[in-house]
Amino acid sequence: NAGVTQTPKFRILKIGQSMTLQCAQDMNHNYMYWYRQDPGMGLKLIYYSVGAGITDKGEVPNGYNVSRSTTEDFPLRLELAAPSQTSVYFCASQGDLGDYTFGSGTRLTVV
Amino acid sequence: KQEVTQIPAALSVPEGENLVLNCSFTDSAIYNLQWFRQDPGKGLTSLLLIQSSQREQTSGRLNASLDKSSGRSTLYIAASQPGDSATYLCAVITGANNLFFGTGTRLTVIP
Repeated sequence: NAGVTQTPKFRILKIGQSMTLQCAQDMNHNYMYWYRQDPGMGLKLIYYSVGAGITDKGEVPNGYNVSRSTTEDFPLRLELAAPSQTSVYFCASQGDLGDYTFGSGTRLTVV
Repeated sequence: KQEVTQIPAALSVPEGENLVLNCSFTDSAIYNLQWFRQDPGKGLTSLLLIQSSQREQTSGRLNASLDKSSGRSTLYIAASQPGDSATYLCAVITGANNLFFGTGTRLTVIP
Protein backbone atom coordinates (compact mmCIF):
# COMPACT_ATOMS: atom_id res chain seq x y z
CA ASN A 1 0.00 0.00 0.00
CA ALA A 2 1.84 3.09 -1.28
CA GLY A 3 -0.34 5.70 0.47
CA VAL A 4 0.49 9.23 -0.70
CA THR A 5 3.34 9.56 -3.17
CA GLN A 6 5.02 12.87 -3.96
CA THR A 7 7.50 13.65 -6.70
CA PRO A 8 10.09 15.04 -6.97
CA LYS A 9 11.71 14.84 -3.52
CA PHE A 10 14.03 17.77 -4.19
CA ARG A 11 14.09 20.57 -6.74
CA ILE A 12 15.98 23.80 -7.30
CA LEU A 13 14.27 26.45 -9.42
CA LYS A 14 15.42 29.77 -10.72
CA ILE A 15 13.28 32.84 -10.09
CA GLY A 16 10.51 33.02 -12.68
CA GLN A 17 10.59 29.36 -13.64
CA SER A 18 7.55 27.12 -13.40
CA MET A 19 7.09 23.59 -12.15
CA THR A 20 4.49 21.07 -11.10
CA LEU A 21 4.67 19.10 -7.88
CA GLN A 22 3.03 15.73 -8.30
CA CYS A 23 0.88 13.99 -5.69
CA ALA A 24 -0.90 10.68 -6.03
CA GLN A 25 -2.80 8.53 -3.57
CA ASP A 26 -4.06 4.98 -3.95
CA MET A 27 -6.53 4.91 -1.06
CA ASN A 28 -9.53 6.25 -3.01
CA HIS A 29 -9.75 9.25 -0.69
CA ASN A 30 -11.92 12.13 -1.81
CA TYR A 31 -10.23 14.82 0.28
CA MET A 32 -6.74 15.92 -0.64
CA TYR A 33 -4.59 18.82 0.55
CA TRP A 34 -1.41 20.74 -0.17
CA TYR A 35 0.56 22.25 2.69
CA ARG A 36 3.83 24.12 2.91
CA GLN A 37 6.16 24.04 5.88
CA ASP A 38 8.74 26.77 6.30
CA PRO A 39 11.79 26.15 8.53
CA GLY A 40 10.83 26.01 12.19
CA MET A 41 7.22 26.78 11.39
CA GLY A 42 3.98 24.87 11.26
CA LEU A 43 2.13 23.67 8.20
CA LYS A 44 0.05 26.12 6.20
CA LEU A 45 -2.75 25.03 3.86
CA ILE A 46 -2.30 26.11 0.24
CA TYR A 47 -5.16 24.40 -1.59
CA TYR A 48 -7.51 21.54 -0.99
CA SER A 49 -9.95 19.36 -2.91
CA VAL A 50 -13.06 17.53 -1.76
CA GLY A 51 -13.27 15.40 -4.88
CA ALA A 52 -12.47 15.17 -8.56
CA GLY A 53 -13.22 18.43 -10.32
CA ILE A 54 -13.51 20.44 -7.10
CA THR A 55 -10.74 22.58 -5.61
CA ASP A 56 -10.62 25.50 -3.22
CA LYS A 57 -8.13 27.93 -1.73
CA GLY A 58 -6.56 27.48 1.64
CA GLU A 59 -4.69 29.97 3.81
CA VAL A 60 -1.80 30.79 1.43
CA PRO A 61 -2.88 30.16 -2.20
CA ASN A 62 -1.14 33.08 -3.93
CA GLY A 63 1.40 31.97 -6.52
CA TYR A 64 -0.01 28.45 -6.81
CA ASN A 65 -2.61 26.59 -8.81
CA VAL A 66 -4.09 23.12 -8.54
CA SER A 67 -6.26 20.76 -10.53
CA ARG A 68 -8.07 17.55 -9.66
CA SER A 69 -9.05 15.67 -12.79
CA THR A 70 -9.02 12.26 -11.06
CA THR A 71 -9.54 11.02 -7.52
CA GLU A 72 -5.96 9.77 -7.39
CA ASP A 73 -3.98 12.82 -8.52
CA PHE A 74 -3.70 16.33 -7.12
CA PRO A 75 -0.83 18.27 -8.74
CA LEU A 76 0.32 21.67 -7.47
CA ARG A 77 1.68 24.15 -9.99
CA LEU A 78 3.99 27.08 -9.38
CA GLU A 79 3.80 29.49 -12.31
CA LEU A 80 6.45 32.13 -11.57
CA ALA A 81 8.71 30.88 -8.83
CA ALA A 82 9.78 33.39 -6.19
CA PRO A 83 12.30 33.04 -3.32
CA SER A 84 9.38 33.26 -0.88
CA GLN A 85 8.20 29.90 -2.22
CA THR A 86 11.29 28.15 -0.92
CA SER A 87 9.77 25.61 1.44
CA VAL A 88 8.92 21.98 1.99
CA TYR A 89 5.65 20.99 0.36
CA PHE A 90 3.47 18.21 1.73
CA CYS A 91 0.52 16.57 0.08
CA ALA A 92 -2.05 14.77 2.23
CA SER A 93 -5.27 12.86 1.86
CA GLN A 94 -8.02 12.27 4.38
CA GLY A 95 -9.73 8.96 4.98
CA ASP A 96 -13.31 8.13 5.93
CA LEU A 97 -12.41 8.18 9.64
CA GLY A 98 -11.06 11.70 9.23
CA ASP A 99 -7.46 10.58 9.56
CA TYR A 100 -4.77 12.25 7.49
CA THR A 101 -2.03 10.51 5.52
CA PHE A 102 0.89 12.65 4.42
CA GLY A 103 3.38 12.22 1.63
CA SER A 104 7.12 12.38 2.28
CA GLY A 105 7.38 15.93 0.98
CA THR A 106 9.08 17.93 -1.78
CA ARG A 107 11.91 20.22 -0.74
CA LEU A 108 11.91 23.24 -3.09
CA THR A 109 14.56 25.93 -3.26
CA VAL A 110 14.08 29.01 -5.45
CA VAL A 111 17.28 30.91 -6.25
CA LYS B 1 -10.26 29.96 15.62
CA GLN B 2 -8.97 26.71 17.11
CA GLU B 3 -5.59 27.05 18.76
CA VAL B 4 -3.49 24.03 19.64
CA THR B 5 -0.61 24.21 22.11
CA GLN B 6 1.93 21.55 23.00
CA ILE B 7 3.96 21.46 26.17
CA PRO B 8 6.86 21.10 26.57
CA ALA B 9 8.40 22.52 23.42
CA ALA B 10 11.46 20.32 23.91
CA LEU B 11 12.24 17.35 26.10
CA SER B 12 15.37 15.28 26.73
CA VAL B 13 15.15 12.01 28.60
CA PRO B 14 17.49 9.07 29.19
CA GLU B 15 16.75 5.86 27.37
CA GLY B 16 14.21 3.64 29.12
CA GLU B 17 12.20 6.40 30.75
CA ASN B 18 8.45 6.71 30.38
CA LEU B 19 7.29 10.13 29.24
CA VAL B 20 4.18 12.17 28.58
CA LEU B 21 3.65 14.79 25.91
CA ASN B 22 0.81 17.24 26.33
CA CYS B 23 -1.54 18.85 23.84
CA SER B 24 -4.27 21.38 24.61
CA PHE B 25 -6.87 22.93 22.31
CA THR B 26 -9.21 25.86 22.77
CA ASP B 27 -12.42 24.61 21.12
CA SER B 28 -13.77 21.28 22.32
CA ALA B 29 -15.99 20.82 19.25
CA ILE B 30 -13.55 18.51 17.49
CA TYR B 31 -14.08 15.62 15.11
CA ASN B 32 -10.81 13.77 15.67
CA LEU B 33 -7.37 14.23 17.16
CA GLN B 34 -4.32 12.75 15.50
CA TRP B 35 -0.73 12.41 16.73
CA PHE B 36 2.14 12.49 14.26
CA ARG B 37 5.90 12.27 14.44
CA GLN B 38 8.23 14.13 12.14
CA ASP B 39 11.89 13.23 11.77
CA PRO B 40 14.31 15.96 10.66
CA GLY B 41 13.93 16.61 6.94
CA LYS B 42 11.20 14.02 6.63
CA GLY B 43 7.44 13.89 6.28
CA LEU B 44 4.78 13.31 8.90
CA THR B 45 4.13 9.80 10.10
CA SER B 46 0.76 9.11 11.68
CA LEU B 47 0.99 7.52 15.13
CA LEU B 48 -2.52 7.42 16.54
CA LEU B 49 -5.97 8.69 15.66
CA ILE B 50 -8.53 9.28 18.40
CA GLN B 51 -12.08 9.86 17.27
CA SER B 52 -14.20 12.27 19.29
CA SER B 53 -16.24 9.44 20.81
CA GLN B 54 -13.11 7.65 22.06
CA ARG B 55 -11.11 8.26 25.23
CA GLU B 56 -7.85 6.62 24.24
CA GLN B 57 -5.96 4.65 21.63
CA THR B 58 -2.96 2.37 21.99
CA SER B 59 -0.32 1.20 19.57
CA GLY B 60 2.65 -0.71 20.92
CA ARG B 61 4.50 1.49 23.42
CA LEU B 62 2.29 4.48 22.62
CA ASN B 63 -0.93 5.44 24.34
CA ALA B 64 -2.91 8.56 23.52
CA SER B 65 -5.78 9.88 25.59
CA LEU B 66 -8.41 12.48 24.82
CA ASP B 67 -10.48 14.61 27.19
CA LYS B 68 -12.66 16.80 24.99
CA SER B 69 -14.37 18.63 27.83
CA SER B 70 -11.08 19.93 29.19
CA GLY B 71 -9.52 20.39 25.74
CA ARG B 72 -6.59 18.06 26.40
CA SER B 73 -4.80 15.10 24.92
CA THR B 74 -1.70 13.30 26.12
CA LEU B 75 0.70 10.99 24.35
CA TYR B 76 2.38 8.49 26.64
CA ILE B 77 5.53 6.77 25.45
CA ALA B 78 6.69 3.80 27.49
CA ALA B 79 10.28 2.64 27.78
CA SER B 80 11.65 5.32 25.48
CA GLN B 81 14.33 4.42 22.91
CA PRO B 82 16.81 6.58 20.95
CA GLY B 83 14.76 5.82 17.83
CA ASP B 84 11.85 7.71 19.40
CA SER B 85 13.79 10.96 18.98
CA ALA B 86 11.72 13.19 16.71
CA THR B 87 9.27 16.07 16.80
CA TYR B 88 5.80 15.02 17.90
CA LEU B 89 2.84 16.94 16.54
CA CYS B 90 -0.71 16.96 17.80
CA ALA B 91 -3.38 17.84 15.23
CA VAL B 92 -7.00 18.65 15.93
CA ILE B 93 -9.50 17.92 13.18
CA THR B 94 -12.72 19.88 13.31
CA GLY B 95 -14.07 18.74 9.94
CA ALA B 96 -13.03 18.40 6.36
CA ASN B 97 -10.37 20.97 5.55
CA ASN B 98 -10.06 22.01 9.15
CA LEU B 99 -6.82 20.60 10.52
CA PHE B 100 -5.03 22.55 13.21
CA PHE B 101 -1.51 21.54 14.18
CA GLY B 102 0.08 22.11 17.53
CA THR B 103 3.43 23.75 17.97
CA GLY B 104 5.21 20.43 18.42
CA THR B 105 7.42 18.83 21.06
CA ARG B 106 10.98 18.00 20.08
CA LEU B 107 11.95 14.80 21.89
CA THR B 108 15.52 13.61 22.38
CA VAL B 109 16.12 10.21 23.94
CA ILE B 110 19.68 9.93 25.20
CA PRO B 111 21.32 6.48 24.95
